[in-house]
Amino acid sequence: NAGVTQTPKFRILKIGQSMTLQCTQDMNHNYMYWYRQDPGMGLKLIYYSVGAGITDKGEVPNGYNVSRSTTEDFPLRLELAAPSQTSVYFCASSHGTAEDGYTFGSGTRLTVV
Amino acid sequence: AQSVTQLDSHVSVSEGTPVLLRCNYSSSYSPSLFWYVQHPNKGLQLLLKYTSAATLVKGINGFEAEFKKSETSFHLTKPSAHMSDAAEYFCVVIPKRGGGADGLTFGKGTHLIIQP
Repeated sequence: NAGVTQTPKFRILKIGQSMTLQCTQDMNHNYMYWYRQDPGMGLKLIYYSVGAGITDKGEVPNGYNVSRSTTEDFPLRLELAAPSQTSVYFCASSHGTAEDGYTFGSGTRLTVV
Repeated sequence: AQSVTQLDSHVSVSEGTPVLLRCNYSSSYSPSLFWYVQHPNKGLQLLLKYTSAATLVKGINGFEAEFKKSETSFHLTKPSAHMSDAAEYFCVVIPKRGGGADGLTFGKGTHLIIQP
């Protein structure tokens, strides 16, 4: 019973490099989300998806891209890493709307130097 | 606009004593409210949720919260703290009723410390 799986758990990037944060869920949830968590702050929504083939911007989308080709997978792409993107990234999913409650992954800690 | 204010960034209690984590909200709509817990190096876990049913909500691990519309509050309590309760706690509001597709609004978190 895996739930939401994120890889990698840790990563160090140099400025200008690119990478993809992977997120997979095995609960057949329609809704998936990417958040970032900065020290002393709550989570901020980057992008979300209400189903395969549908994505939309959240509160802080600049510098990121997403795709949703399958129900299970929702990867987050950083094209040109910047120090401001140093953060902990969480992927989450829900069966229906947010009122159903989210299942979160364990996070990816990203450092850009 | 919606917002959530967690009134304490850190709370320290002794094991076996009561826990109170305070949360106030602002919402243009009748809100749905949640408490999530984050243990070190872990993802967030849902503790409890209020969605306009009973105003006193019971959650996991002995936690409960009371929705008070007149005070716009949703404080989290537990009668007796346990060492395993040490974690970060987030109060969360849904932006609009039934419109959760665009995510949740998180408070900044309260770090709960349990003294032996």
